[in-house]
Amino acid sequence: GQQLNQSPQSMFIQEGEDVSMNCTSSSIFNTWLWYKQDPGEGPVLLIALYKAGELTSNGRLTAQFGITRKDSFLNISASIPSDVGIYFCAGQLYDMRFGAGTRLTVKP
Amino acid sequence: KAGVTQTPRYLIKTRGQQVTLSCSPISGHRSVSWYQQTPGQGLQFLFEYFSETQRNKGNFPGRFSGRQFSNSRSEMNVSTLELGDSALYLCASSLRTGGDTGELFFGEGSRLTVL
Repeated sequence: GQQLNQSPQSMFIQEGEDVSMNCTSSSIFNTWLWYKQDPGEGPVLLIALYKAGELTSNGRLTAQFGITRKDSFLNISASIPSDVGIYFCAGQLYDMRFGAGTRLTVKP
Repeated sequence: KAGVTQTPRYLIKTRGQQVTLSCSPISGHRSVSWYQQTPGQGLQFLFEYFSETQRNKGNFPGRFSGRQFSNSRSEMNVSTLELGDSALYLCASSLRTGGDTGELFFGEGSRLTVL
């Protein structure tokens, strides 16, 4: 099935820096979700967005549902070492489509 | 509230064998979806079951099958295993209201290695 375009593929940042990643699609979605996956574990839901233009925060995480319904971004502020992992976006219109993931490395 | 439970966590099989993976969803969740995750292909949708019926199916060969029981527990089966079937198989459950799947909650996965 059609996958989402997620960028960047990987990021290497210094502890304390802010991070931004995004997902785009040629199709519209009703819901955007952001997940984090640690090595050897299943993805964990971070943020869910349900309305175009919606901006939602969860601690140091902020995500937005694009106004066109075809994109979403995730920001992480003041990164810490435990932010390391792979972040996936997911868009939903009846079924769920996933981005390829952004691998985040945080250097202490 | 217990999360999604998958068994076994790790298994090793040889080509030609078959494997059955099990998933217990979060209590009250009636939808169970299965995904295959590999480094090269990312998360690939296998199928979704809701109230014992397959709702959606991904683009996988017929060797991949699944079922859901009346208590919402689900199993997936892969027959005639191939080397390329080595992957992390993830199960996710959701409440599924209306037409959309809803928020997916994933288990820790079953890592299958085919030798």
